[in-house]
Amino acid sequence: NAGVTQTPKFQVLKTGQSMTLQCAQDMNHNSMYWYRQDPGMGLRLIYYSASEGTTDKGEVPNGYNVSRLNKREFSLRLESAAPSQTSVYFCASSEFRGDSPLHFGNGTRLTVT
Amino acid sequence: AQKITQTQPGMFVQEKEAVTLDCTYDTSDPSYGLFWYKQPSSGEMIFLIYQGSYDQQNATEGRYSLNFQKARKSANLVISASQLGDSAMYFCAMREGTGNQFYFGTGTSLTVIP
Repeated sequence: NAGVTQTPKFQVLKTGQSMTLQCAQDMNHNSMYWYRQDPGMGLRLIYYSASEGTTDKGEVPNGYNVSRLNKREFSLRLESAAPSQTSVYFCASSEFRGDSPLHFGNGTRLTVT
Repeated sequence: AQKITQTQPGMFVQEKEAVTLDCTYDTSDPSYGLFWYKQPSSGEMIFLIYQGSYDQQNATEGRYSLNFQKARKSANLVISASQLGDSAMYFCAMREGTGNQFYFGTGTSLTVIP
């Protein structure tokens, strides 16, 4: 039972490079999310997708793009990485139901130099 | 305004004692859910407990219970009989109505002292 799988686990980029973080869930959840976690700031929502074919901006969307490829997969792209995007990124999924918790992947630690 | 506020950046508790982690929330939606997560030093996010706004009783899950005071808009996590493995960051989160967004607090770092 894999749950939410995100890759890679670690990544180092130089300023200006691009990369895509991959996320897949096998729980048949409609909703998927990308968060970033920075010390002292908790988790901040970057983008989310309520269902296949839809995406919406969260609190900190600048510098990121997302693609909901199908019901299972939701990717996050950094087109031109900046040092301010150094963070731990979490993908998560949930059922579209008020009492359904978020199920998280194990995170990606990204460093931009 | 912050949707979720956790005012305790760090807490210490003696092993086997109980500890309360504070969480206050702000919403005008009459329907909402409150969630607590644990993040150990290994980094994964672990769901602990859920409380719905219409639930009549405080939620409990093993050694975790939620002290839900609706009028005060607080949803404090109580951990009984603390264990060394409880040392972790703890996050409070809220989901409003049928909305899709989850709002997180800044977390409380709990250290259990042997």
